[in-house]
Amino acid sequence: EDKVVQSPLSLVVHEGDTVTLNCSYEVTNFRSLLWYKQEKKAPTFLFMLTSSGIEKKSGRLSSILDKKELFSILNITATQTGDSAVYLCAVVGGGSNYKLTFGKGTLLTVNP
Amino acid sequence: NAGVMQNPRHLVRRRGQEARLRCSPMKGHSHVYWYRQLPEEGLKFMVYLQKENIIDESGMPKERFSAEFPKEGPSILRIQQVVRGDSAAYFCASSQSTADNSPLHFGNGTRLTVT
Repeated sequence: EDKVVQSPLSLVVHEGDTVTLNCSYEVTNFRSLLWYKQEKKAPTFLFMLTSSGIEKKSGRLSSILDKKELFSILNITATQTGDSAVYLCAVVGGGSNYKLTFGKGTLLTVNP
Repeated sequence: NAGVMQNPRHLVRRRGQEARLRCSPMKGHSHVYWYRQLPEEGLKFMVYLQKENIIDESGMPKERFSAEFPKEGPSILRIQQVVRGDSAAYFCASSQSTADNSPLHFGNGTRLTVT
């Protein structure tokens, strides 16, 4: 069975700190890894990664995938209180090109 | 360009009643997916539909749950004779295709509470 493990489960930081969120996976026929941000509503798409070693960047957020070691990290620099959310990692694989297997998420709290 | 629209946002049902959850995909998207999020759990795939077709219902319980995506109108997830264990957030997502560069976009979810 496909598996996605995120760490830490929760994290509390101060504004301005840099955080690194981790996602490891076990999946057959890996196709892609996705990061979402979930506040108290819809998970919002952040990044889709398919190739190892290529960093995706959007403002203060960046992410990279390591297909050899089967993990991805999501970095957030100069955190703001608006970054407080649950960050979800999901993979597509296992013979499907559409079915997402999600981790349980990392709850990030940024205090002023 | 409206995102994925789900309604209602909150739904309360007594045990034994029926729950109907609606989802309109993003404009231009013809692929619809339903996911369920139980408390303290990650999102779990339930069903994948295209217009008038169920493509994959492998994640949906065999009994009491059904889904449709008619030619006209929203996709409907229907839960008959609800039980307390059905209480969860139900998210709908849509995509333009199933290509590797076509991520899923989620709606705000319907939070079902069974009393």
